[in-house]
Amino acid sequence: GAGVSQTPSNKVTEKGKYVELRCDPISGHTALYWYRQSLGQGPEFLIYFQGTGAADDSGLPNDRFFAVRPEGSVSTLKIQRTERGDSAVYLCASSLGQGGSETQYFGPGTRLLVL
Amino acid sequence: SQQGEEDPQALSIQEGENATMNCSYKTSINNLQWYRQNSGRGLVHLILIRSNEREKHSGRLRVTLDTSKKSSSLLITASRAADTASYFCATLPSGAAGNKLTFGGGTRVLVKP
Repeated sequence: GAGVSQTPSNKVTEKGKYVELRCDPISGHTALYWYRQSLGQGPEFLIYFQGTGAADDSGLPNDRFFAVRPEGSVSTLKIQRTERGDSAVYLCASSLGQGGSETQYFGPGTRLLVL
Repeated sequence: SQQGEEDPQALSIQEGENATMNCSYKTSINNLQWYRQNSGRGLVHLILIRSNEREKHSGRLRVTLDTSKKSSSLLITASRAADTASYFCATLPSGAAGNKLTFGGGTRVLVKP
Protein backbone atom coordinates (compact mmCIF):
# COMPACT_ATOMS: atom_id res chain seq x y z
CA GLY A 1 0.00 0.00 0.00
CA ALA A 2 0.98 3.62 -0.38
CA GLY A 3 3.00 5.36 2.27
CA VAL A 4 2.64 8.92 3.50
CA SER A 5 2.75 11.38 0.65
CA GLN A 6 3.43 15.09 0.76
CA THR A 7 2.92 17.76 -1.84
CA PRO A 8 4.58 19.74 -3.17
CA SER A 9 8.01 18.17 -2.78
CA ASN A 10 9.61 21.59 -3.14
CA LYS A 11 8.15 25.05 -2.72
CA VAL A 12 9.88 28.35 -3.35
CA THR A 13 8.08 31.48 -2.27
CA GLU A 14 8.77 35.09 -1.49
CA LYS A 15 8.83 36.64 1.93
CA GLY A 16 5.36 37.68 2.98
CA LYS A 17 3.49 35.16 0.86
CA TYR A 18 1.06 32.48 2.03
CA VAL A 19 1.81 28.78 1.51
CA GLU A 20 -0.06 25.53 2.00
CA LEU A 21 1.62 22.18 2.44
CA ARG A 22 -0.38 19.00 2.06
CA CYS A 23 -0.02 15.61 3.71
CA ASP A 24 -1.81 12.39 2.76
CA PRO A 25 -1.38 9.87 5.57
CA ILE A 26 -1.48 6.11 5.28
CA SER A 27 -5.08 4.99 4.87
CA GLY A 28 -6.65 4.11 8.20
CA HIS A 29 -4.08 5.94 10.33
CA THR A 30 -5.89 8.07 12.88
CA ALA A 31 -2.91 10.03 14.17
CA LEU A 32 -1.05 12.57 12.02
CA TYR A 33 2.00 14.64 12.95
CA TRP A 34 3.82 17.62 11.50
CA TYR A 35 7.50 18.25 12.16
CA ARG A 36 9.91 20.86 10.87
CA GLN A 37 13.56 20.13 10.17
CA SER A 38 16.11 22.85 9.67
CA LEU A 39 19.36 22.15 7.87
CA GLY A 40 21.71 19.99 9.90
CA GLN A 41 19.27 19.49 12.75
CA GLY A 42 16.78 16.89 13.89
CA PRO A 43 13.04 17.27 13.29
CA GLU A 44 11.09 19.44 15.71
CA PHE A 45 7.49 18.71 16.59
CA LEU A 46 4.88 21.19 15.43
CA ILE A 47 1.40 19.70 15.87
CA TYR A 48 -0.41 16.39 16.01
CA PHE A 49 -3.95 15.37 15.18
CA GLN A 50 -6.00 12.52 16.53
CA GLY A 51 -8.82 12.23 14.04
CA THR A 52 -10.00 15.68 13.02
CA GLY A 53 -8.91 17.54 16.12
CA ALA A 54 -5.54 19.00 16.96
CA ALA A 55 -4.59 17.11 20.13
CA ASP A 56 -1.37 19.04 20.69
CA ASP A 57 -0.31 22.18 18.85
CA SER A 58 2.32 23.25 21.35
CA GLY A 59 5.10 23.11 18.76
CA LEU A 60 3.65 25.69 16.38
CA PRO A 61 6.14 28.59 16.57
CA ASN A 62 3.60 31.42 16.32
CA ASP A 63 0.16 32.34 15.04
CA ARG A 64 1.33 32.49 11.43
CA PHE A 65 1.26 28.70 11.44
CA PHE A 66 -1.99 26.79 11.32
CA ALA A 67 -2.96 23.23 10.40
CA VAL A 68 -6.23 21.51 9.65
CA ARG A 69 -7.46 17.98 9.10
CA PRO A 70 -11.16 18.48 8.39
CA GLU A 71 -12.11 14.90 7.52
CA GLY A 72 -9.61 13.07 9.65
CA SER A 73 -7.43 12.07 6.73
CA VAL A 74 -5.58 14.66 4.61
CA SER A 75 -3.97 17.52 6.52
CA THR A 76 -2.85 20.93 5.37
CA LEU A 77 -0.22 23.03 7.09
CA LYS A 78 -0.74 26.71 6.37
CA ILE A 79 1.86 29.41 6.83
CA GLN A 80 0.90 33.05 6.54
CA ARG A 81 3.25 35.97 5.88
CA THR A 82 6.21 33.67 5.36
CA GLU A 83 9.60 34.71 6.66
CA ARG A 84 13.06 33.60 5.56
CA GLY A 85 13.42 31.76 8.87
CA ASP A 86 10.52 29.50 7.87
CA SER A 87 12.77 27.85 5.28
CA ALA A 88 13.07 24.19 6.24
CA VAL A 89 11.88 20.70 5.36
CA TYR A 90 8.36 20.12 6.66
CA LEU A 91 7.79 16.47 7.48
CA CYS A 92 4.49 14.73 8.00
CA ALA A 93 4.04 11.39 9.73
CA SER A 94 1.11 9.17 10.55
CA SER A 95 0.51 6.30 12.92
CA LEU A 96 -2.25 3.78 13.33
CA GLY A 97 -3.14 5.07 16.77
CA GLN A 98 -1.79 7.52 19.29
CA GLY A 99 -0.24 5.06 21.72
CA GLY A 100 3.32 5.62 22.77
CA SER A 101 4.57 2.50 21.04
CA GLU A 102 2.94 3.21 17.71
CA THR A 103 5.44 3.53 14.90
CA GLN A 104 5.32 6.82 13.06
CA TYR A 105 5.66 6.54 9.29
CA PHE A 106 7.17 9.61 7.69
CA GLY A 107 6.56 11.14 4.31
CA PRO A 108 9.37 12.45 2.08
CA GLY A 109 8.83 16.02 3.24
CA THR A 110 8.25 19.35 1.56
CA ARG A 111 11.34 21.53 1.22
CA LEU A 112 10.23 25.15 1.68
CA LEU A 113 12.51 27.99 0.63
CA VAL A 114 11.46 31.53 1.44
CA LEU A 115 13.41 34.12 -0.53
CA SER B 1 14.31 22.85 21.43
CA GLN B 2 15.76 19.38 21.10
CA GLN B 3 15.79 16.86 23.88
CA GLY B 4 18.70 14.75 22.84
CA GLU B 5 22.34 15.23 22.11
CA GLU B 6 23.96 12.78 19.75
CA ASP B 7 27.58 11.86 19.68
CA PRO B 8 29.49 11.91 17.45
CA GLN B 9 27.95 14.43 15.08
CA ALA B 10 29.66 12.69 12.18
CA LEU B 11 31.27 9.29 11.71
CA SER B 12 33.28 7.91 8.78
CA ILE B 13 34.09 4.20 8.61
CA GLN B 14 35.07 1.51 6.13
CA GLU B 15 32.58 -1.02 4.88
CA GLY B 16 32.55 -4.03 7.19
CA GLU B 17 33.43 -2.06 10.31
CA ASN B 18 31.01 -1.43 13.16
CA ALA B 19 29.46 1.98 13.74
CA THR B 20 28.49 3.14 17.21
CA MET B 21 26.61 6.31 18.04
CA ASN B 22 25.26 7.62 21.31
CA CYS B 23 22.27 9.63 22.39
CA SER B 24 21.74 11.46 25.67
CA TYR B 25 18.47 12.94 26.81
CA LYS B 26 17.21 15.05 29.66
CA THR B 27 13.81 13.98 30.93
CA SER B 28 12.22 10.69 31.97
CA ILE B 29 11.01 8.73 29.00
CA ASN B 30 8.36 6.20 28.02
CA ASN B 31 10.50 4.89 25.16
CA LEU B 32 13.38 5.81 22.89
CA GLN B 33 13.40 5.25 19.14
CA TRP B 34 16.06 5.36 16.44
CA TYR B 35 15.40 6.59 12.92
CA ARG B 36 17.46 6.73 9.74
CA GLN B 37 17.26 9.53 7.20
CA ASN B 38 18.72 9.48 3.72
CA SER B 39 19.46 12.68 1.82
CA GLY B 40 17.67 14.94 4.29
CA ARG B 41 14.19 13.66 3.46
CA GLY B 42 11.85 11.06 4.97
CA LEU B 43 12.78 9.22 8.13
CA VAL B 44 12.61 5.46 8.47
CA HIS B 45 11.86 3.90 11.84
CA LEU B 46 14.57 1.42 12.88
CA ILE B 47 13.90 0.26 16.40
CA LEU B 48 12.05 1.18 19.59
CA ILE B 49 13.25 0.39 23.10
CA ARG B 50 11.01 0.83 26.11
CA SER B 51 12.16 2.42 29.36
CA ASN B 52 12.08 -0.94 31.15
CA GLU B 53 14.29 -2.60 28.53
CA ARG B 54 18.07 -2.49 28.51
CA GLU B 55 18.99 -3.97 25.15
CA LYS B 56 17.29 -4.77 21.89
CA HIS B 57 18.40 -6.31 18.61
CA SER B 58 17.08 -6.09 15.08
CA GLY B 59 19.18 -7.66 12.35
CA ARG B 60 22.53 -5.84 12.34
CA LEU B 61 21.28 -3.24 14.80
CA ARG B 62 21.82 -3.34 18.54
CA VAL B 63 20.38 -0.70 20.84
CA THR B 64 21.10 -0.24 24.51
CA LEU B 65 19.36 1.99 26.99
CA ASP B 66 20.64 3.19 30.35
CA THR B 67 17.88 5.17 32.05
CA SER B 68 20.09 5.96 35.06
CA LYS B 69 22.47 7.80 32.75
CA LYS B 70 19.71 8.95 30.40
CA SER B 71 21.60 7.60 27.44
CA SER B 72 21.26 5.15 24.59
CA SER B 73 23.58 3.73 21.98
CA LEU B 74 23.01 2.36 18.50
CA LEU B 75 25.47 -0.15 17.09
CA ILE B 76 25.43 -1.11 13.43
CA THR B 77 27.52 -4.20 12.84
CA ALA B 78 29.27 -5.13 9.58
CA SER B 79 28.37 -1.81 8.00
CA ARG B 80 27.55 -1.49 4.31
CA ALA B 81 27.74 1.46 1.94
CA ALA B 82 23.92 1.50 1.99
CA ASP B 83 24.04 2.33 5.71
CA THR B 84 25.32 5.80 4.81
CA ALA B 85 22.69 8.12 6.27
CA SER B 86 21.90 10.33 9.23
CA TYR B 87 20.70 8.55 12.35
CA PHE B 88 18.44 10.21 14.92
CA CYS B 89 17.30 9.19 18.34
CA ALA B 90 13.86 10.31 19.42
CA THR B 91 12.29 10.13 22.85
CA LEU B 92 8.73 9.94 24.05
CA PRO B 93 8.58 11.61 27.47
CA SER B 94 6.90 9.81 30.35
CA GLY B 95 3.30 10.77 30.77
CA ALA B 96 3.15 12.38 27.37
CA ALA B 97 -0.20 12.31 25.69
CA GLY B 98 -0.11 10.86 22.24
CA ASN B 99 3.11 10.13 20.48
CA LYS B 100 4.90 13.48 20.33
CA LEU B 101 8.54 12.65 19.69
CA THR B 102 11.53 14.80 20.57
CA PHE B 103 14.50 14.24 18.28
CA GLY B 104 18.20 14.65 18.81
CA GLY B 105 20.48 16.46 16.41
CA GLY B 106 21.57 13.31 14.60
CA THR B 107 24.78 11.52 13.67
CA ARG B 108 25.85 11.59 10.02
CA VAL B 109 27.39 8.25 9.10
CA LEU B 110 29.50 7.73 5.99
CA VAL B 111 30.39 4.15 5.11
CA LYS B 112 33.14 4.03 2.53
CA PRO B 113 33.22 1.05 0.16
